[in-house]
Amino acid sequence: KAGVTQTPRYLIKTRGQQVTLSCSPISGHRSVSWYQQTPGQGLQFLFEYFSETQRNKGNFPGRFSGRQFSNSRSEMNVSTLELGDSALYLCASSSILDPFYNEQFFGPGTRLTVL
Amino acid sequence: QKEVEQNSGPLSVPEGAIASLNCTYSDRGSQSFFWYRQYSGKSPELIMFIYSNGDKEDGRFTAQLNKASQYVSLLIRDSQPSDSATYLCAVNRNIAGGTSYGKLTFGQGTILTVHP
Repeated sequence: KAGVTQTPRYLIKTRGQQVTLSCSPISGHRSVSWYQQTPGQGLQFLFEYFSETQRNKGNFPGRFSGRQFSNSRSEMNVSTLELGDSALYLCASSSILDPFYNEQFFGPGTRLTVL
Repeated sequence: QKEVEQNSGPLSVPEGAIASLNCTYSDRGSQSFFWYRQYSGKSPELIMFIYSNGDKEDGRFTAQLNKASQYVSLLIRDSQPSDSATYLCAVNRNIAGGTSYGKLTFGQGTILTVHP
């Protein structure tokens, strides 16, 4: 079974631009969570989508948004990029067949650099 | 107080030794606990999960959970140089309808180095 895929793997943007990152979950997984990883803050939860609905959101400004499509693929968007948005953006998928477990499997990540 | 705290490390052990990684959490509502391994430049890889008090063994790895003490640990037996990585502890509340959907809360990680 193919794992979680993310595109692009690397991005370089300048301040003020916007960016869209894509995530395809493991086949059959319907929950997609997004995280930001930085050396200073570690892994921080951004939001989670299930059945095209955002069910949970972390403490990030409104510049960070996302969506999920009917095939469970998800995108996240960051508008008006700031230098501090430079990070590894990870998505993780979960089957939630049993909601108690919530085992999440991560994609390779998108490395975003904001200049 | 951080929600999830790990021993700061870095931790260095000789090849063949037991590596012990520790994690404490502050939210008593936490119900599921995960250990991820992250190699430099790579994404986290799930290696163990535990939900019940006690020990859970999988090959060279043993996860231990003590909910009363809000403590979870990972033991790596017969450590190998290929185990050198950052180990991340993560917790989840699993309360349907609450603010826990899809959210894992991670510790800062412990860097483990296994030297030959």
